[in-house]
Amino acid sequence: SQTIHQWPATLVQPVGSPLSLECTVEGTSNPNLYWYRQAAGRGLQLLFYSVGIGQISSEVPQNLSASRPQDRQFILSSKKLLLSDSGFYLCAWSVFPGGYTFGSGTRLTVV
Amino acid sequence: DAKTTQPNSMESNEEEPVHLPCNHSTISGTDYIHWYRQLPSQGPEYVIHGLTSNVNNRMASLAIAEDRKSSTLILHRATLRDAAVYYCIRVSGGYQKVTFGTGTKLQVIP
Repeated sequence: SQTIHQWPATLVQPVGSPLSLECTVEGTSNPNLYWYRQAAGRGLQLLFYSVGIGQISSEVPQNLSASRPQDRQFILSSKKLLLSDSGFYLCAWSVFPGGYTFGSGTRLTVV
Repeated sequence: DAKTTQPNSMESNEEEPVHLPCNHSTISGTDYIHWYRQLPSQGPEYVIHGLTSNVNNRMASLAIAEDRKSSTLILHRATLRDAAVYYCIRVSGGYQKVTFGTGTKLQVIP
């Protein structure tokens, strides 16, 4: 079966510290992978998407970066967190025309 | 970016049917219509998707207008567990670059 793992579930980090969120997918090959961010009470903002290993497209210029070192691994990073980076981060995968499968999310609070 | 329009909120009584509308007036012929729902502090959950014909699954039904410019998600008997934010999105082939809007917050009244 197809599953997606995202960790950690919650994270509190000081301003200026680095960030690494990891997402792995099982049970599918060559999926499209995505990182979304959701502010409280808002919709999902697409941050990055990837159609293959090493192929990353950024939707919103900001303090974050993404990498896809393996087919089913997607990593969201930051060298120095800002207060505005706080939010609910979601990883997802899809294979067209099927639906998106989302991870359980990481609640990031930058203090 | 592929835009859809949904009401911000809706209410339904428990055990009654719910019709959640979505407008996608600029949809192309190859765009699929997807619906998701999100509970608080959870990732969105896939509900249903379709291209042209109406679709049914164990969770819901999707009615797509003949001109495909709108669709309706139908929950046949609303339960308290159906209270969530429902998102309607258009999914194209290729890169599937999709941003979810703010969706419709469904409140189910016991």
